[in-house]
Amino acid sequence: ETGVTQSPTHLIKTRGQQVTLRCSSQSGHNTVSWYQQALGQGPQFIFQYYREEENGRGNFPPRFSGLQFPNYSSELNVNALELDDSALYLCASNTRQVAYNEQFFGPGTRLTVL
Amino acid sequence: QKEVEQDPGPLSVPEGAIVSLNCTYSNSAFQYFMWYRQYSRKGPELLMYTYSSGNKEDGRFTAQVDKSSKYISLFIRDSQPSDSATYLCAMTQDSNYQLIWGAGTKLIIKP
Repeated sequence: ETGVTQSPTHLIKTRGQQVTLRCSSQSGHNTVSWYQQALGQGPQFIFQYYREEENGRGNFPPRFSGLQFPNYSSELNVNALELDDSALYLCASNTRQVAYNEQFFGPGTRLTVL
Repeated sequence: QKEVEQDPGPLSVPEGAIVSLNCTYSNSAFQYFMWYRQYSRKGPELLMYTYSSGNKEDGRFTAQVDKSSKYISLFIRDSQPSDSATYLCAMTQDSNYQLIWGAGTKLIIKP
């Protein structure tokens, strides 16, 4: 069973640029959630995708957008990068069901905006 | 005021000590309570999950939830240097809803 993978591991961009981060969900999982974790803080929920549809969004502006593909992998796109976007971006996957089910996290992509 | 409050630490204890980590929260709708461990430069991994109030034990780890006080705890017995990490609490009102996280407590176990 392959776990959640993310690419790239690290990324350096300049203010105003655009970035795409990628996530491959764990085998059998149909739901992907994206989180932003600033240094010394807990993760903040960006949005969740279920069966290729956005299914919930946190308090992030529209320049944060995403996609989920038929194989349940996902992309996070951020336009017009700002210095405050520097953070660890985490992807988590799980399978939606009635009872609680664990979200499995990838190692994250560390984005630095200069 | 944040929905979930957690002391960032660092908390430094000698090997073998009992560790107590805590979070308080304000939203009485939260039903699912989780503790995650995060090593440096890694994603969080789930340690314990509790639904509603009560205790749950798994090996050296015990999770407690007191919904009347809006207070959750994680106890680690016989702490080991390998337990050194950041411990994050997270909670949600619905199993398919977003997780709300504490800021994490950095724990250091001294050999």
